[in-house]
Amino acid sequence: GQQLNQSPQSMFIQEGEDVSMNCTSSSIFNTWLWYKQEPGEGPVLLIALYKAGELTSNGRLTAQFGITRKDSFLNISASIPSDVGIYFCAGQRNQGGKLIFGQGTELSVKP
Amino acid sequence: GAVVSQHPSWVICKSGTSVKIECRSLDFQATTMFWYRQFPKQSLMLMATSNEGSKATYEQGVEKDKFLINHASLTLSTLTVTSAHPEDSSFYICSAQIREERTGELFFGEGSRLTVL
Repeated sequence: GQQLNQSPQSMFIQEGEDVSMNCTSSSIFNTWLWYKQEPGEGPVLLIALYKAGELTSNGRLTAQFGITRKDSFLNISASIPSDVGIYFCAGQRNQGGKLIFGQGTELSVKP
Repeated sequence: GAVVSQHPSWVICKSGTSVKIECRSLDFQATTMFWYRQFPKQSLMLMATSNEGSKATYEQGVEKDKFLINHASLTLSTLTVTSAHPEDSSFYICSAQIREERTGELFFGEGSRLTVL
């Protein structure tokens, strides 16, 4: 099935560093969402974006909905060990439409 | 906050047997639930949309006779993997919408890891 292009695939960083990951698509989405999944668990919603250009924060996390509606990025500032997990972007074309997930970015944080 | 619970969290079965996985919304009613499948180190792939009181809508390539979905009440959807084979081994995750007007915002269950021997 169709997937979003998410990068990087994995990141190994030192505690305290900032992290950035992004998702791109060849087509337009009207909703972008970011989820985090920890091992053996289901994903948890971090941030939802509904307007092109929108910049939304959730604690140390900041996400933006690209102006073209074809991309989104997620930043994590001052990373901590509990940020470890797989981060997925997801796009939705219209309300009621199915979510399309990116391939995920696996984040490892070294104390 | 709203919670979606799955059971069992893991199951091991012999090839040829059927396995039922339950997905419950614990403190809200979910008219629509979604079933995903996830292989190790891969993304979530939507299998089907489960609608309360009606037939599930399956994604292309998903065998509806193989993966039976029943959404009998507003708080329970079940996925039955019939005549399971080793290639059905995977992590199965259900989800439900948090708010009717925000259909992309999903609560996910804890997932159920199926291993078919």
